[in-house]
Amino acid sequence: SQTIHQWPATLVQPVGSPLSLECTVEGTSNPNLYWYRQAAGRGLQLLFYSVGIGQISSEVPQNLSASRPQDRQFILSSKKLLLSDSGFYLCAWNPGGANNSPLHFGNGTRLTVT
Amino acid sequence: AQSVTQLDSQVPVFEEAPVELRCNYSSSVSVYLFWYVQYPNQGLQLLLKYLSGSTLVKGINGFEAEFNKSQTSFHLRKPSVHISDTAEYFCAVSDRGYQKVTFGTGTKLQVIP
Repeated sequence: SQTIHQWPATLVQPVGSPLSLECTVEGTSNPNLYWYRQAAGRGLQLLFYSVGIGQISSEVPQNLSASRPQDRQFILSSKKLLLSDSGFYLCAWNPGGANNSPLHFGNGTRLTVT
Repeated sequence: AQSVTQLDSQVPVFEEAPVELRCNYSSSVSVYLFWYVQYPNQGLQLLLKYLSGSTLVKGINGFEAEFNKSQTSFHLRKPSVHISDTAEYFCAVSDRGYQKVTFGTGTKLQVIP
């Protein structure tokens, strides 16, 4: 069966520090991968999605970036965190080429920038 | 472009009472529609989905939703709620032919004992 792993579960980082959040999917190949951010009262904001290795689409211009170095690995990064980067970050996947397939979410990372 | 509007940010309801959570969408093309549930500090889980066919779809935990194309709505209903239904509910839409899924801002359902 397919599983998605996301870590860390919680993270407290000072302003200006770098960020790296990792997400991996097991039990499937060539998945579509997504990064969402959830801020209070604002729902889920799509940050990045990827349909293949090295293929990243950015939805919102900001100081975050994403990379997909391997088929089932998706990394969210920042060189310098801002206070506004605080939030709940969710990784998700669905089968490649199947745009009617629901998303499967990880358990999220609670990021607090201080 | 597609968008989703969830009109109610919070819905309090007494245990065993019925509930309806509203969702309206806008899109220039045909869409797929989803409802997800999120329990505190967890990811989202799929409740139900509409892809095609019957406009009334049934999901897990006794929830159902009805797709109304003329009103561009996909409201979620449950005839009798339980304490365990307390959670945040998200409506989502994806345009056919695209990989991107757009979510609403969520509705917090609070079931009162």
